[in-house]
Amino acid sequence: GGIITQTPKFLIGQEGQKLTLKCQQNFNHDTMYWYRQDSGKGLRLIYYSITENDLQKGDLSEGYDASREKKSSFSLTVTSAQKNEMAVFLCASSITDNQDTQYFGPGTRLLVL
Amino acid sequence: GEQVEQRPPHLSVPEGDSAVIICTYTDSATAYFYWYKQEPGAGLQLLMSVFSNVDRKEEQGLTVLLNKKDKQLSLNLTAAHPGDSAVYFCAVSAGGADRLTFGKGTQLIIQP
Repeated sequence: GGIITQTPKFLIGQEGQKLTLKCQQNFNHDTMYWYRQDSGKGLRLIYYSITENDLQKGDLSEGYDASREKKSSFSLTVTSAQKNEMAVFLCASSITDNQDTQYFGPGTRLLVL
Repeated sequence: GEQVEQRPPHLSVPEGDSAVIICTYTDSATAYFYWYKQEPGAGLQLLMSVFSNVDRKEEQGLTVLLNKKDKQLSLNLTAAHPGDSAVYFCAVSAGGADRLTFGKGTQLIIQP
């Protein structure tokens, strides 16, 4: 089996700050995803990447950048944190992007003061 | 685009009882169906996946029913125990490069 690691586990930022979240997977999966989870709203796709150096926009990409530096890692940047923002960011990976099961990391919990 | 409605948003049942969560989707081309469990402070754990050619799937006290005519997917937990307390999400997709669409989740509490 494999594991998905997300760092940091908790992130407290200031309004306007640029914040970076990191995700690592050792499944050797091709595709990685970043989702945002808000209470009562389910999961919304921010960005995904089907291979190293690839980047595809999801439904919620505005206000975010992402980078797939290598096959095992996928980072997400909040370009300008919004005051009082509170959400969980979940990273996932799958073998390919063709309906393979997605496996999730434990999440990064963001709070913006 | 695809819309998924999940209900109920909150569900509390006594230990030993059954719990049923239902998702209704809109796209008749939807072919892949998933149920995930999220425990506090954790990511999503895959419980079961179902392809559209299956109407019923049972695994370890969980039953997934798929009614394609009504575009409805359900998860039934039989003889629930406190360890089943979590948030449950359904997710669906039409396949190929189509992305997953998630329901908004059901907070399930099993009362000891």
